[in-house]
Amino acid sequence: SQTIHQWPATLVQPVGSPLSLECTVEGTSNPNLYWYRQAAGRGLQLLFYSVGIGQISSEVPQNLSASRPQDRQFILSSKKLLLSDSGFYLCAWSKGSEQFFGPGTRLTVL
Amino acid sequence: GQQVMQIPQYQHVQEGEDFTTYCNSSTTLSNIQWYKQRPGGHPVFLIQLVKSGEVKKQKRLTFQFGEAKKNSSLHITATQTTDVGTYFCAGSGWANSGGYQKVTFGTGTKLQVIP
Repeated sequence: SQTIHQWPATLVQPVGSPLSLECTVEGTSNPNLYWYRQAAGRGLQLLFYSVGIGQISSEVPQNLSASRPQDRQFILSSKKLLLSDSGFYLCAWSKGSEQFFGPGTRLTVL
Repeated sequence: GQQVMQIPQYQHVQEGEDFTTYCNSSTTLSNIQWYKQRPGGHPVFLIQLVKSGEVKKQKRLTFQFGEAKKNSSLHITATQTTDVGTYFCAGSGWANSGGYQKVTFGTGTKLQVIP
């Protein structure tokens, strides 16, 4: 069966510090991968999606970037965090339309 | 670009009352999915509707897809405290780049059930 992992589960970072969130998927190959951000009490904002290794599409301009170094690994990064980067970051994978979400990372930028 | 709106944003109901959330897309969709996110958790897939006018039921939940494939609804009969959470619709349409079904999530409806 397929499993999706995200870490860390929670993170508190100062403004201006770098960020690296990792997402890995098991039990499937060549999945579509997604990064979403959810602000407190708000909906899901699609940040990046990837249809294959090294193929990244950005949905919104921001100070975040994503990379897909391996088929089942998706990384979200930032060189310098902003206060507005706080939120719940969710990774998801799909083969068709249905998306399967990871447990998420709660990021607080102080 | 494709936009998906949901109403209401929040809903408080007494346990046993019915609840409905509505989803509207700015473009025709290939299909629509519904997800539930419990407080503190991540979204979990509930169902997918593909055909125009399709109606599907899961116990007390009834899902409908509009004839024009631009709107959908989720109706819960006789709510229970276990129904608490945020319900999201997500519409699939072809991305501008082609060859990829882009999924756009609705804004969500947060349901609170008062015992």
